[in-house]
Amino acid sequence: QSVLTQPPSASGTPGQRVSISCSGSSSNIGNNVVFWYQQLPGAAPRLLIFRDDQRPSEVPDRFSGSKSGTSASLALSGLRSEDEATYYCSVWDDRLSAWLFGEGTKLTVL
Amino acid sequence: QVQLVQSGAEVKTPGSSVKVSCRSSGGTSRRHAISWVRQAPGQGLEWMGAIIPFSETADYAQKFQGRVTLTADESTTTVYMALIGLGAADTAIYYCAENNPSLRNAFHVWGQGTMVTVS
Repeated sequence: QSVLTQPPSASGTPGQRVSISCSGSSSNIGNNVVFWYQQLPGAAPRLLIFRDDQRPSEVPDRFSGSKSGTSASLALSGLRSEDEATYYCSVWDDRLSAWLFGEGTKLTVL
Repeated sequence: QVQLVQSGAEVKTPGSSVKVSCRSSGGTSRRHAISWVRQAPGQGLEWMGAIIPFSETADYAQKFQGRVTLTADESTTTVYMALIGLGAADTAIYYCAENNPSLRNAFHVWGQGTMVTVS
């Protein structure tokens, strides 16, 4: 069981907005910046969000991140079929001195 | 454009060891850490450790201490991940990824992954 908790699944219809949560603790999310990754089937992960809410230049602004206390969220607006993927949150843990990943949330576009 | 190219798939027997390579190109700094992340079939991502090629300084996740060794070859801009005492639970795709300090050490560039099967 991961130290970072994500819902196993999420879904939405094209054009909708969906949100994925990531819950941690004071030794990780509460004290360090959060990252989000997208993994399409059969592909390596791809960075979506860094430093809680910043997007690399190549990531569209449909993706946004936020953090409050020991929880973080990834939001996708204007949902598209190509957004079907598994999404992972990630953060450094000060107590474990290790990078952590959430269990992953599989997003289905209905 | 930074690229990470990994070695090909491996099939190993229980108790043996494996060494996977990750060659960087495109001007990445040798002072940027390279991490190794693995993913068992149908499972999530798991960080194993990281190395700064310039200094060959490595840190390992506690779970892999004593079983994994990360090394770097400056002349070929290649990083290696060696894992000993393989068991069925080590069957996974192994990725290398660059920790980009400009992006708060995000795993920004990823290798294509190397499938290691222990059977």
